[in-house]
Amino acid sequence: QQQVKQSPQSLIVQKGGISIINCAYENTAFDYFPWYQQFPGKGPALLIAIRPDVSEKKEGRFTISFNKSAKQFSLHIMDSQPGDSATYFCAASGDTGANNLFFGTGTRLTVIP
Amino acid sequence: EAGVVQSPRYKIIEKKQPVAFWCNPISGHNTLYWYLQNLGQGPELLIRYENEEAVDDSQLPKDRFSAERLKGVDSTLKIQPAELGDSAVYLCASSVGTYNEQFFGPGTRLTVL
Repeated sequence: QQQVKQSPQSLIVQKGGISIINCAYENTAFDYFPWYQQFPGKGPALLIAIRPDVSEKKEGRFTISFNKSAKQFSLHIMDSQPGDSATYFCAASGDTGANNLFFGTGTRLTVIP
Repeated sequence: EAGVVQSPRYKIIEKKQPVAFWCNPISGHNTLYWYLQNLGQGPELLIRYENEEAVDDSQLPKDRFSAERLKGVDSTLKIQPAELGDSAVYLCASSVGTYNEQFFGPGTRLTVL
């Protein structure tokens, strides 16, 4: 059973556009929601993370929007650049009392110049 | 500061053969994780160590997989015997304690023929 559902599977955006990736979860015990960026041949790297006490977190061009009642969260990449082309994973943790991350299935983002 | 080191980066073996992967975490990181990442999927936790103790190995297929972290620093993950379905990327991650950011290594890509 997939603990975190992610969409879309792939996304193509023009340079300068906004990339939006969505995730949903069911376990209300989750209390930590990170997004990871992964380039080919590399391990995932933490991009930005949010806890459910806030509805939005922004770091540079990256913003997480969090809707606790809907159990959904999303990543917005503003002014998307070709260098942002990578696979993005949402994740969640907290129900086991430890930092065991449950990952979504990933979104392959391609930013066209 | 050096990141998480994994070796080998690539491994090709025949089915039924044994294989081992090595991970050296970031210095000072007492928590170490092994993840399995199938093609087009997010990482899935196999085992988590707190120092030398395996505190969560519930997802580790113990009939063929084993892991050790004898001195609480580097770790080895072993598969014996390997099956075709074990072809995947094996990721190692580390963190300072259980509730902090996980840093991933580049992974070992295993191909079982």
